[in-house]
Amino acid sequence: EPEVTQTPSHQVTQMGQEVILRCVPISNHLYFYWYRQILGQKVEFLVSFYNNEISEKSEIFDDQFSVERPDGSNFTLKIRSTKLEDSAMYFCASSGTSGSRETQYFGPGTRLLVL
Amino acid sequence: AQSVTQLGSHVSVSEGALVLLRCNYSSSVPPYLFWYVQYPNQGLQLLLKYTSAATLVKGINGFEAEFKKSETSFHLTKPSAHMSDAAEYFCAVIRSGSARQLTFGSGTQLTVLP
Repeated sequence: EPEVTQTPSHQVTQMGQEVILRCVPISNHLYFYWYRQILGQKVEFLVSFYNNEISEKSEIFDDQFSVERPDGSNFTLKIRSTKLEDSAMYFCASSGTSGSRETQYFGPGTRLLVL
Repeated sequence: AQSVTQLGSHVSVSEGALVLLRCNYSSSVPPYLFWYVQYPNQGLQLLLKYTSAATLVKGINGFEAEFKKSETSFHLTKPSAHMSDAAEYFCAVIRSGSARQLTFGSGTQLTVLP
């Protein structure tokens, strides 16, 4: 069964450093998403991406964040200058286009720790 | 903005007992509703979804949920709990219109006692 994959599974970085989180969505999906879950808190939407552009973003997704689909398979989230409060589990998801509310399938997540 | 409320951050049941996890949504228009499960140190796995086709939705692992418009509820049930059901369960809603973002509830941690 197709699945969303994410790398790395864990990342430790120093405050102020740039990090890139990688995702490979399900191959025939066209909508891509990033969510995050701070320890002990709700899963929060960050951004959705379709047709090579951001379709929606939350207030969390400020100028420090960017997303890219550099090739036909990868979808990345970049945090330019990490802060302590960026420590969280980051989930990538993807969905198809059949029906107006296609189910989002999630990857296993990348646990980011900012020191 | 649409939201979901999960009553009970922690629920404990005995193995073999009924599981009932509560979710209420706020919306004047029936939304798309989902239940996801998160096992320890894993990602979110879809259990089931409501997309207005049928009010009683059956999902994986013996779970089901009933959409009740009059109560704005979408509670998750399983007749007989198994030890392997221990996990965190999230109710989520996706609003009508062009947006596709999921809004999650705060989650319910299910403990299954032997």
